[in-house]
Amino acid sequence: AQSVTQLDSQVPVFEEAPVELRCNYSSSVSVYLFWYVQYPNQGLQLLLKYLSGSTLVKGINGFEAEFNKSQTSFHLRKPSVHISDTAEYFCAVSDQGNNNNDMRFGAGTRLTVKP
Amino acid sequence: DTGVSQDPRHKITKRGQNVTFRCDPISEHNRLYWYRQTLGQGPEFLTYFQNEAQLEKSRLLSDRFSAERPKGSFSTLEIQRTEQGDSAMYLCASSHGPKTLPSYEQYFGPGTRLTVT
Repeated sequence: AQSVTQLDSQVPVFEEAPVELRCNYSSSVSVYLFWYVQYPNQGLQLLLKYLSGSTLVKGINGFEAEFNKSQTSFHLRKPSVHISDTAEYFCAVSDQGNNNNDMRFGAGTRLTVKP
Repeated sequence: DTGVSQDPRHKITKRGQNVTFRCDPISEHNRLYWYRQTLGQGPEFLTYFQNEAQLEKSRLLSDRFSAERPKGSFSTLEIQRTEQGDSAMYLCASSHGPKTLPSYEQYFGPGTRLTVT
């Protein structure tokens, strides 16, 4: 079975600074990878996904992530954050052969953007 | 397309009572998922439906939990004899079916927050 580790539970950063939220996964098979964002009292919204092809994936709100198979990582980055990016971010993985039936999420990283 | 909706948004109940939550998926989606999210954790998979068939259940789904999707549209999640450990956010998501690339994107509802006192 696959698993996901988000290495930082909280990341404080100043507005307009760059940010990286780290995600490592483990799986015995090839995987699909996702980043979701959750604002307070809301459901999860997909930021971006890696299914195949280019390892650099661009998503909404200026976020991007890079799939590194050798390091089993899928870190999320943004070159310049805004106050409105303050939220909880979840990395998720599902096995390619499992047709996305069982998506596993990390524990989340709380990004706090300070003025 | 109004997205995935869940009702109620909040539920407070006393231990031992039964509760039922409803999820309305995006209309053209034939897959529907239930997750549980506790404070400080990511969502944990509970079960999913392909149309009206419940195809997979997690070990987390004890016999006090039952989910249905009778007509392949909305779904209900019932918890019987609630316990304090059931307090959590219950999230519903939907997606297209297999063999279509968009099936890999799950769209989430706002969740139902359950508090068992």
